[in-house]
Amino acid sequence: DTGVSQNPRHKITKRGQNVTFRCDPISEHNRLYWYRQTLGQGPEFLTYFQNEAQLEKSRLLSDRFSAERPKGSFSTLEIQRTEQGDSAMYLCASSFAVVGSNQPQHFGDGTRLSIL
Amino acid sequence: GIQVEQSPPDLILQEGANSTLRCNFSDSVNNLQWFHQNPWGQLINLFYIPSGTKQNGRLSATTVATERYSLLYISSSQTTDSGVYFCAVRMDSSYKLIFGSGTRLLVRP
Repeated sequence: DTGVSQNPRHKITKRGQNVTFRCDPISEHNRLYWYRQTLGQGPEFLTYFQNEAQLEKSRLLSDRFSAERPKGSFSTLEIQRTEQGDSAMYLCASSFAVVGSNQPQHFGDGTRLSIL
Repeated sequence: GIQVEQSPPDLILQEGANSTLRCNFSDSVNNLQWFHQNPWGQLINLFYIPSGTKQNGRLSATTVATERYSLLYISSSQTTDSGVYFCAVRMDSSYKLIFGSGTRLLVRP
């Protein structure tokens, strides 16, 4: 059973640079989520896809952030013009949608972003 | 929005001791999950438990949805149980999980 895969595991970049993260969900899962976790806090929701449609976005997702899931499989999260406050762990999760049933979300190992 | 509160915030145990972690939530939920975040940052699913009781080895969980709380029991704790335990809930109106601030557990040998 292949879990949720995220790449890269770590990213160090200078302030102002653009970064892109990738998430590959569990293969049969049609729902994909992005969360952000800062030090000492629980994860916070950023956005959610059902297949290729982005159905919900948090106010945390400023205009510098964009997420895509073009073919309903893997997803990318891009941050443009990174700022110090973007330093965090970015977590991806996936779940399987079943009509009339709630299913748990399964998380990847995350991408840790450090802004110099 | 819904509030998720976990207690205690920090817990130190001697190996072999038992403990109970609590999660209170302020509104009706249709999904509740318990996670263990290990020292490497990995979020491990422990339980998916919107209601009722489940057991998995030394761990068990109970959710009383009508009273808006869930409990995670750890028995005969081991040093590998150290880390942060998160409770996360989901409401009918959204698919996102809302996390508590976690309980930081340290199990000493």
